[in-house]
Amino acid sequence: AQSVTQPDIHITVSEGASLELRCNYSYGATPYLFWYVQSPGQGLQLLLKYFSGDTLVQGIKGFEAEFKRSQSSFNLRKPSVHWSDAAEYFCAVGGYTGTASKLTFGTGTRLQVTL
Amino acid sequence: EAGVAQSPRYKIIEKRQSVAFWCNPISGHATLYWYQQILGQGPKLLIQFQNNGVVDDSQLPKDRFSAERLKGVDSTLKIQPAKLEDSAVYLCASSPPWGDSPLHFGNGTRLTVT
Repeated sequence: AQSVTQPDIHITVSEGASLELRCNYSYGATPYLFWYVQSPGQGLQLLLKYFSGDTLVQGIKGFEAEFKRSQSSFNLRKPSVHWSDAAEYFCAVGGYTGTASKLTFGTGTRLQVTL
Repeated sequence: EAGVAQSPRYKIIEKRQSVAFWCNPISGHATLYWYQQILGQGPKLLIQFQNNGVVDDSQLPKDRFSAERLKGVDSTLKIQPAKLEDSAVYLCASSPPWGDSPLHFGNGTRLTVT
């Protein structure tokens, strides 16, 4: 069964500081990996995705993530956080069953940004 | 392109009442998902449709939850009767049928059961 662990429930960083959100996954084959962001009262917005190829992927809003197969990790990074980045971040792992994609989410990391 | 549309945005009901949610996916997206997101948790898949057929409903509490996707486009999710623990945000998502495509989410329906 596929699963995702986000070990940090809540992270606080100062505006302008760097950010790293951790994500570990369990999947029986080569996974599809995603990071989504959710602002209060909103749905989930895709930040970036990894399917294959270059293990460092770039996303929107200046975010990037690195796929490390040996560590089963897909950590999200941003070199300089902005106050508007405060939100909930979800890592997800998925695969293609031959008929459709199946996606499993982690429990999320809430990011607070102090000015 | 227009996004995934959901209605209503908010719903408050008493326990044992029934409620229905509606979702209109992005045009051309064959796959439709209903997720339940309880406060403080990640979204949990309830049911997944491919066109108008069910792909996965293993985590749907079938004694009280039902969903349909007639004509392979719009979908409705129903709860009858509701319990207090059903209070959550119900998210609808859609995607094209091929594997390397992310899910596109609607803004969700926040259900409060009192």
